[in-house]
Amino acid sequence: DTEVTQTPKHLVMGMTNKKSLKCEQHMGHRAMYWYKQKAKKPPELMFVYSYEKLSINESVPSRFSPECPNSSLLNLHLHALQPEDSALYLCASSQRTSGGLPYNEQFFGPGTRLTVL
Amino acid sequence: DAKTTQPPSMDCAEGRAANLPCNHSTISGNEYVYWYRQIHSQGPQYIIHGLKNNETNEMASLIITEDRKSSTLILPHATLRDTAVYYCIVGRGGADGLTFGKGTHLIIQP
Repeated sequence: DTEVTQTPKHLVMGMTNKKSLKCEQHMGHRAMYWYKQKAKKPPELMFVYSYEKLSINESVPSRFSPECPNSSLLNLHLHALQPEDSALYLCASSQRTSGGLPYNEQFFGPGTRLTVL
Repeated sequence: DAKTTQPPSMDCAEGRAANLPCNHSTISGNEYVYWYRQIHSQGPQYIIHGLKNNETNEMASLIITEDRKSSTLILPHATLRDTAVYYCIVGRGGADGLTFGKGTHLIIQP
């Protein structure tokens, strides 16, 4: 199984809603990532989890709250979002080798297209 | 402060080799060159990576200049399905995350 799955595929939410995005992989990867991609722009890194611990937070607003409950699952909890947060949210995973060669290929999911009204 | 520079768009005829250039003049000694592509409405897909030597896999070849300041991705026999945005990325990899530039929109013409 070399697939990263993301649910839901599409999400429409109001600014007062709370919702969650889910990402799952069963490749035994120990690094997982959230990226945000606005229309016609490249993906931007948001968070990195390494061995289920948050290792990188790219100064993302607190209305985005990541969670890594186990090595296969990554969530992104959303609360009080703004219309400018509408974007494609991409999850990725890669092998994490402690002390090994840092050339890890990242496997991306298809993304969740989020619209904030 | 972009770490890579790529042409915004390129055309290539189907069946021909597509050569995509990338400048990365500030690359550090421990940074790799990665290539990913993103077909419309899909997640990015890894193509190939290299450090110093040229690399080849089933998808493409990567040619890195001796001074490592630039590289070229070669798709040997382009098909219509290769139409995508191609991103050249430099970084240490591992769990550092990827910093995407603007990429090259490659259009394969029938």
